[in-house]
Amino acid sequence: DTGVSQDPRHKITKRGQNVTFRCDPISEHNRLYWYRQTLGQGPEFLTYFQNEAQLEKSRLLSDRFSAERPKGSFSTLEIQRTEQGDSAMYLCASSLGQARGEQFFGPGTRLTVL
Amino acid sequence: KQEVTQIPAALSVPEGENLVLNCSFTDSAIYNLQWFRQDPGKGLTSLLLIQSSQREQTSGRLNASLDKSSGRSTLYIAASQPGDSATYLCAVLVDGQNFVFGPGTRLSVLP
Repeated sequence: DTGVSQDPRHKITKRGQNVTFRCDPISEHNRLYWYRQTLGQGPEFLTYFQNEAQLEKSRLLSDRFSAERPKGSFSTLEIQRTEQGDSAMYLCASSLGQARGEQFFGPGTRLTVL
Repeated sequence: KQEVTQIPAALSVPEGENLVLNCSFTDSAIYNLQWFRQDPGKGLTSLLLIQSSQREQTSGRLNASLDKSSGRSTLYIAASQPGDSATYLCAVLVDGQNFVFGPGTRLSVLP
């Protein structure tokens, strides 16, 4: 499968624990995006990488959230000291080259914080 | 701040009908507009991408139009099928790197 992959697909954790999600983009795509989606809403932009550089972060990305893309390939999103309000679907997308490129999404990681 | 709305929020039609989904955005300074399909609990599947300089795109039974000046896009689905049942989302690319999504239209096509 050459699409965007995410791991894990589901994560249940207790409030206060740390969680980390992984995204593997389409191999030749240099742009990688993270979004958060809550039930009944469209995805909300969190952050964006071009290669290994994190170029933009949304105000939604509090200091408990950190994202990395160390070698310009896969990316990780870590949430520290999780809160019940962090429960959502976390989506990753990638695109090729130019700014107007089509985004391709992964299946998402569903986080439930108890 | 760019805001995207979609009408209707939900739609239920019998199989075979042609239908139109609407997307509106408040700021016409967009780079492109993309329509997606999302099945329950799944990620997004790209349907059509319209660049800001284009007026429409077609793929199979789907046709999407874009009118930047009025801040509107429509997704036309011809001869709907039960397999088309899903949530349809539109998103506009702003600042060249940040997509703003609408809340989606939940479509049910009844056999």
